[in-house]
Amino acid sequence: AQSVTQPDIHITVSEGASLELRCNYSYGATPYLFWYVQSPGQGLQLLLKYFSGDTLVQGIKGFEAEFKRSQSSFNLRKPSVHWSDAAEYFCAVGPRSNDYKLSFGAGTTVTVRA
Amino acid sequence: GAVVSQHPSWVICKSGTSVKIECRSLDFQATTMFWYRQFPKQSLMLMATSNEGSKATYEQGVEKDKFLINHASLTLSTLTVTSAHPEDSSFYICSASAGQGLYDEQFFGPGTRLTVL
Repeated sequence: AQSVTQPDIHITVSEGASLELRCNYSYGATPYLFWYVQSPGQGLQLLLKYFSGDTLVQGIKGFEAEFKRSQSSFNLRKPSVHWSDAAEYFCAVGPRSNDYKLSFGAGTTVTVRA
Repeated sequence: GAVVSQHPSWVICKSGTSVKIECRSLDFQATTMFWYRQFPKQSLMLMATSNEGSKATYEQGVEKDKFLINHASLTLSTLTVTSAHPEDSSFYICSASAGQGLYDEQFFGPGTRLTVL
């Protein structure tokens, strides 16, 4: 069965500092990979996705993620965080088929301090 | 991006009553809608997938008679929690897609907090 692990429940970073959120997956084959952000009172918003090709994926809001097949990881990064980046971040995987069901990690809460 | 709304945003009900949650795609036609359940500090768990005009497909372990899903139009899906009990208290999230594949992005609603007393 596929699974997604986000090892960090909560991360606190200073504004302007870099951020890295970890995501590891367990799957029989390389899945489709996604990162979503959830701000209070708002729905999940897609930050970026990886289907194939370049393993470094650029997303919205200055985020990027790198797919590493050897480590079964898809870590999310941002060079310099803004206070508005404080939110819940979810990694998700989906199968390479028409079975379009996403499996989500438990999420990482990011707090940004001034 | 596309907008998905949910109503109500929160609801409190007595045990044994039924509660209906609406999910609407405001600016696109949603061929497929998904319903998720999220417990505190846990991941979203897919409950069911619905396509307009057809019966919903439920995930294993989800009671069809407990969680009734109706996808009556291309912009509206409803989830009815029947005979709700305190263990049904949770955060329910819907998403909508204009297509039927992973290449078709799911747009998420803001969620509905259900508390059953």
